[in-house]
Amino acid sequence: DAGVTQSPTHLIKTRGQHVTLRCSPISGHKSVSWYQQVLGQGPQFIFQYYEKEERGRGNFPDRFSARQFPNYSSELNVNALLLGDSALYLCASSLEGGESTDTQYFGPGTRLTVL
Amino acid sequence: GESVGLHLPTLSVQEGDNSIINCAYSNSASDYFIWYKQESGKGPQFIIDIRSNMDKRQGQRVTVLLNKTVKHLSLQIAATQPGDSAVYFCAERWWGQGGKLIFGQGTELSVKP
Repeated sequence: DAGVTQSPTHLIKTRGQHVTLRCSPISGHKSVSWYQQVLGQGPQFIFQYYEKEERGRGNFPDRFSARQFPNYSSELNVNALLLGDSALYLCASSLEGGESTDTQYFGPGTRLTVL
Repeated sequence: GESVGLHLPTLSVQEGDNSIINCAYSNSASDYFIWYKQESGKGPQFIIDIRSNMDKRQGQRVTVLLNKTVKHLSLQIAATQPGDSAVYFCAERWWGQGGKLIFGQGTELSVKP
């Protein structure tokens, strides 16, 4: 069975540009969460979506936005990129969302470098 | 504040020995905890989880212990193998904001042959 997939694998952008990252959850999973992982640190929560609705948002600026599509795939958008946005962006999927204790399974991530 | 901390940033063990990785959490209201393994260049891989109504849970070669009195979590790996070399994160699920996971910085486990 396919796990969580993310695209692209790597991405290089310059300051001020915008970027769109994509995620496909495990088949049957309805919830997608996004995390940012800076080198040497643990992942930081950005968003959670369930049934196309935002269910949670972390402490990230409005430059970060996301959406979930009817097929449960998701996009993370970042505008006006800053050097500090360079990180590994992880997508995790789970069966349900919100306050359930369903396990979150992570994809391989997208490595974003901002020059 | 939001934090799940780890006592040791690095751990080096001999192949075949048992490994113990520790974690302290700050939110006494959290009732679900997960251990993830992350190899270089990959996303975190689920290892084992535990709910706060339990104090011990065993998997294949791994055991998680939860001590709610002192807000401490540990991961024990039996007969550590070179393939266990990775960074290990504990995560705490916070209610609200979609039940987000709060991760610590991680412990890097190095297994010597």
